Amino acid sequence: AQTVTQSQPEMSVQEAETVTLSCTYDTSESDYYLFWYKQPPSRQMILVIRQEAYKQQNATENRFSVNFQKAAKSFSLKISDSQLGDAAMYFCAYRPRDDKIIFGKGTRLHILP
Amino acid sequence: EAQVTQNPRYLITVTGKKLTVTCSQNMNHEYMSWYRQDPGLGLRQIYYSMNVEVTDKGDVPEGYKVSRKEKRNFPLILESPSPNQTSLYFCASSLGQGAFYEQYFGPGTRLTVT
Repeated sequence: AQTVTQSQPEMSVQEAETVTLSCTYDTSESDYYLFWYKQPPSRQMILVIRQEAYKQQNATENRFSVNFQKAAKSFSLKISDSQLGDAAMYFCAYRPRDDKIIFGKGTRLHILP
Repeated sequence: EAQVTQNPRYLITVTGKKLTVTCSQNMNHEYMSWYRQDPGLGLRQIYYSMNVEVTDKGDVPEGYKVSRKEKRNFPLILESPSPNQTSLYFCASSLGQGAFYEQYFGPGTRLTVT
């Protein structure tokens, strides 16, 4: 079965520091996408970053970057220069090319001023 | 503005009283889906639709119905709500079904069934 595991239910980081959220997944597929979604207190689901499995280069969006290790089935999110607005629940998600998306259980990130 | 809207945003109801949560998108998206979010469980797909009159079950369809009579609308129907359907519900849409297409989420509907 395809699963997504986020082993850290909660994390805290000092403002302006760097934090890494971990995510592992299990699949036998070779063609898929991986995503990180942010859910702030407003509850809106916001796509932060996505990675196509066949691309070896790690995706980057401003202060957000991923470390994609395909062989290890690992997809961690690094947030640099953490800001108070980064406080949210973060969901890792996996989606095969033509199938439904599967979400992890989430990691709640606290930013300490 | 391109968006997915849901109504109502908050709803408190009693067991057995039929309710409908509406979902509408203005982006001419073909693919729409419903998720529920529960603490410690993440988001789980309830139903999805690949186009008008084409719907299929997701991971947790029991107790729910959907319809897709128009491309823009995808209502979620709870014929006889029960307390275990208390949850946060999200509608989402995308241009196509494949993972290449970004999903756009609605603002969520907080449902409480007493």
